[in-house]
Amino acid sequence: GQQVMQIPQYQHVQEGEDFTTYCNSSTTLSNIQWYKQRPGGHPVFLIQLVKSGEVKKQKRLTFQFGEAKKNSSLHITATQTTDVGTYFCAGSPGNDYKLSFGAGTTVTVRA
Amino acid sequence: DGGITQSPKYLFRKEGQNVTLSCEQNLNHDAMYWYRQDPGQGLRLIYYSQIVNDFQKGDIAEGYSVSREKKESFPLTVTSAQKNPTAFYLCASSIGTGGSGYTFGSGTRLTVV
Repeated sequence: GQQVMQIPQYQHVQEGEDFTTYCNSSTTLSNIQWYKQRPGGHPVFLIQLVKSGEVKKQKRLTFQFGEAKKNSSLHITATQTTDVGTYFCAGSPGNDYKLSFGAGTTVTVRA
Repeated sequence: DGGITQSPKYLFRKEGQNVTLSCEQNLNHDAMYWYRQDPGQGLRLIYYSQIVNDFQKGDIAEGYSVSREKKESFPLTVTSAQKNPTAFYLCASSIGTGGSGYTFGSGTRLTVV
């Protein structure tokens, strides 16, 4: 079945630095979504990417969908303590109701 | 406020017992989902429902059962057949196929004692 993999599993970042988390699928995706889960909380939807090569920005967060629609990345610039949490990517191969989630990248920030 | 309500927040179960986790939404979403979250494994799909009175198995449906008698409600029963039920259970809903993202509830943490 479809698998979505994320790397790295853990990211320890100095406040003010940039970092990137990557998401790779074993199959072509129709779309990819990103979620953020704060410690002790539940996942919250951040964004969806649909088009090949699409790039979207939300303030300090930049999301990219690969040309082959099999990978995606999330880049955070000037990391802040509010960025702490686990970031999940999730994708589906078709326009169906099932999203497959990656294992997530857990981000900690050193002040 | 519209949202998804999961109850209880914490649940303790003795081995051999069935337990039912509640999930209610007032977002008028058609689709609802149950995910299980274990440390380091992300979210795994248990069951999902696109419309009332219809539901489909996800990737790890064994030992679980659901019903969808009302649009607003999608309860999950963890049966005694589930060998390792201790986990964090998340309910979600979406408009249509989820292109606007899933809305998650705050979760139920189930512990077998």
